[in-house]
Amino acid sequence: DTGVSQDPRHKITKRGQNVTFRCDPISEHNRLYWYRQTLGQGPEFLTYFQNEAQLEKSRLLSDRFSAERPKGSFSTLEIQRTEQGDSAMYLCASSGDYEQYFGPGTRLTVT
Amino acid sequence: AQTVTQSQPEMSVQEAETVTLSCTYDTSENNYYLFWYKQPPSRQMILVIRQEAYKQQNATENRFSVNFQKAAKSFSLKISDSQLGDTAMYFCAFMKDSNYQLIWGAGTKLIIKP
Repeated sequence: DTGVSQDPRHKITKRGQNVTFRCDPISEHNRLYWYRQTLGQGPEFLTYFQNEAQLEKSRLLSDRFSAERPKGSFSTLEIQRTEQGDSAMYLCASSGDYEQYFGPGTRLTVT
Repeated sequence: AQTVTQSQPEMSVQEAETVTLSCTYDTSENNYYLFWYKQPPSRQMILVIRQEAYKQQNATENRFSVNFQKAAKSFSLKISDSQLGDTAMYFCAFMKDSNYQLIWGAGTKLIIKP
């Protein structure tokens, strides 16, 4: 297994457009997490799944954000009607226990 | 609510020196986990070391060790024999035993000079 992967690595979009990111976790991990990181800051928790169930969502996850993990494997994070404030690195992590392993992130730039 | 504080925005040491990064946290929980992650420039977050709060013994991973002071809510990272490849942002993170959400500090930028 090569670790957590994310696609795309970079996304530039115009304000108001919708974007979707994908995360493929380490195969035997049942938990999957999404974080957002802005430049020079630590990550902020957005949401996490145990298998296909979304167990927790941050207040940061506005109605424009939605995440799914339909079969308990890969996950998608969609942002609708993007705003300039959504520009950030979106990190995905997975875990089998309490140690989380991160993917390379998707850098979103909203112009 | 839990908070994590890293009071050193940036540190710089010579190669082969020892450096200690500070982290304090605030929680009313008794069972939790603490982590140090490393994020090299333009590269992904890497787990460096973890500490379970119920363990009194400080964790060690090769050149990396921690000084965990539960009563003082302090969790510092010591890097011995520092190498150029240790240059990175270092983040301290906290996780309650009852959920899996990581709470992060703001990070310390560590520069190892040749």
